[in-house]
Amino acid sequence: NAGVMQNPRHLVRRRGQEARLRCSPMKGHSHVYWYRQLPEEGLKFMVYLQKENIIDESGMPKERFSAEFPKEGPSILRIQQVVRGDSAAYFCASSPWTSGTGGEQYFGPGTRLTVT
Amino acid sequence: DAKTTQPNSMESNEEEPVHLPCNHSTISGTDYIHWYRQLPSQGPEYVIHGLTSNVNNRMASLAIAEDRKSSTLILHRATLRDAAVYYCILRDGYGGSQGNLIFGKGTKLSVKP
Repeated sequence: NAGVMQNPRHLVRRRGQEARLRCSPMKGHSHVYWYRQLPEEGLKFMVYLQKENIIDESGMPKERFSAEFPKEGPSILRIQQVVRGDSAAYFCASSPWTSGTGGEQYFGPGTRLTVT
Repeated sequence: DAKTTQPNSMESNEEEPVHLPCNHSTISGTDYIHWYRQLPSQGPEYVIHGLTSNVNNRMASLAIAEDRKSSTLILHRATLRDAAVYYCILRDGYGGSQGNLIFGKGTKLSVKP
């Protein structure tokens, strides 16, 4: 069973360009989470999605950022008009639906975005 | 989810046991204690979780205090590959909670050869 896959692993964008980050969850997992880790800082939650639904986007910046998890295909985190402050590692995690244990999450290797 | 407190850093020698403490004095009755770790330049990795009883798996053991206000992650024989930041996180297990993980600063474990 393949783990969570993210691509690209490294992405370089110039200021003002768009960045698209992809995440394929583990087989059988219907929940996807995106986290961001700024340099020398901890992981911060951004958004939680299920197929075709955004469940919680309380950690997402209000502008320029959007996320989707379509019925078919990977989850996409999209950053429009990137700025230098968007340079970070973006991690995707997935989980199956489980009850009673608070749910383990399985993380991908991350996409390291550099904005020049 | 309730808050946890961990030491910023710890050191260990290779092949010796490591005890990583976590305080969670405001834990509620339905909170599970989860541990994750993040190796350098990698995504976080689930390690272990428990509710009341001590737990063992192939990676580690989790010892939970009787009053559940603290817990300890035990690595029985540290290796260089165990050098990572270890996060103690409380997760509400009531009703199949699926929300986000809240990462604190964790404990940075260094392992000396």
